[in-house]
Amino acid sequence: AQKVTQAQTEISVVEKEDVTLDCVYETRDTTYYLFWYKQPPSGELVFLIRRNSFDEQNEISGRYSWNFQKSTSSFNFTITASQVVDSAVYFCALSEARGNTDKLIFGTGTRLQVFP
Amino acid sequence: GAVVSQHPSWVICKSGTSVKIECRSLDFQATTMFWYRQFPKQSLMLMATSNEGSKATYEQGVEKDKFLINHASLTLSTLTVTSAHPEDSSFYICSARVGRTGGQETQYFGPGTRLLVL
Repeated sequence: AQKVTQAQTEISVVEKEDVTLDCVYETRDTTYYLFWYKQPPSGELVFLIRRNSFDEQNEISGRYSWNFQKSTSSFNFTITASQVVDSAVYFCALSEARGNTDKLIFGTGTRLQVFP
Repeated sequence: GAVVSQHPSWVICKSGTSVKIECRSLDFQATTMFWYRQFPKQSLMLMATSNEGSKATYEQGVEKDKFLINHASLTLSTLTVTSAHPEDSSFYICSARVGRTGGQETQYFGPGTRLLVL
């Protein structure tokens, strides 16, 4: 069965620290997609990244980077030089390529607090 | 691009009344829209999937007669909470994507609607 685990419930850091949010997934499919979303206090989910199972290349976007490792079924998210505006709940999610079961399966989220 | 709006952003109503929440894709045509519910400090729970022109598919445990979903056009889906009760108070979020099927499609989320039933 599909499952996404975000073991870190809450993380607190001080500005400029680097922080890594962990995501471990389970799926029986060979083709699947992984996502990260940010939910700031306002509530709206902001799409950050999508990664397919055949592309293990790590990605960097500004201060954000993602480390996808199929061998450990992990898709971790690192924020470098964190800022107060990074404070939010971050969700990792999984979907499979099957036509009728292509729902997003969300992890329980990690609440990140960045203090000045 | 890929902007999804929701209206209203918050609503307070009396127990027993019905509340309609609109979800619109502003700059793309959404073949599929999803409705989620989120309790405080919890993850999103998928309630139903709606494809334009078809009946919605509800998740197990979600009452279809209580949560009426209509997806009449490629840019609008509505969720009506009928005869709302205090336990229906929650944060309702919709999302939209272009494709009808395919896990590779990114879902874009609306800003959510906070419902408080007194």
